[in-house]
Amino acid sequence: DTEVTQTPKHLVMGMTNKKSLKCEQHMGHRAMYWYKQKAKKPPELMFVYSYEKLSINESVPSRFSPECPNSSLLNLHLHALQPEDSALYLCASSQYPGQGTTGELFFGEGSRLTVL
Amino acid sequence: AQKVTQAQTEISVVEKEDVTLDCVYETRDTTYYLFWYKQPPSGELVFLIRRNSFDEQNEISGRYSWNFQKSTSSFNFTITASQVVDSAVYFCALSEFTGTASKLTFGTGTRLQVTL
Repeated sequence: DTEVTQTPKHLVMGMTNKKSLKCEQHMGHRAMYWYKQKAKKPPELMFVYSYEKLSINESVPSRFSPECPNSSLLNLHLHALQPEDSALYLCASSQYPGQGTTGELFFGEGSRLTVL
Repeated sequence: AQKVTQAQTEISVVEKEDVTLDCVYETRDTTYYLFWYKQPPSGELVFLIRRNSFDEQNEISGRYSWNFQKSTSSFNFTITASQVVDSAVYFCALSEFTGTASKLTFGTGTRLQVTL
């Protein structure tokens, strides 16, 4: 079983809805990530939180709003999405690179989002 | 800029055949890490292996083996005696450390289909 838990597994929303994706890890990792994956494509990085601070935003539209309430939780708030935002959203976490680790990412199973 | 190329889009083999997945990378960094991830239909990206740029030793883990050659910037992955459960999309990835987190560049993936 994955140690990164994502909810919900499936989400269908209209373009005017507001919803949130949630991610939780209890491995003590201090970096957490949101990736977006379209069908038959590799994952694309959206955001990185390091020590609960946003460290990377890959020019993601403001209709996606990340939040890191504490070191174990990562949320992605969704508002006014477009149909082309339909994708698998993957959360990941990693240890701080260095200090004897290589920073490999551990992924959750993803939240499959459909925007109507 | 970092780049990972997986030239094989799809591979089909019959169970018990050996199969090699190719990965070629480009980076200007002298220190970097390479990874292989497996993505079964469930969607989760499963970490398989990491290799750092200073360690060119090949590795074998059960039916899996990896051949890292810095001279050709390749990090190939071989599955011996393939099984139906090996059917998945396999991603090669290259990491860039941003100071406090890992930024992965993924290849486009190779879809492996193992049939009876």
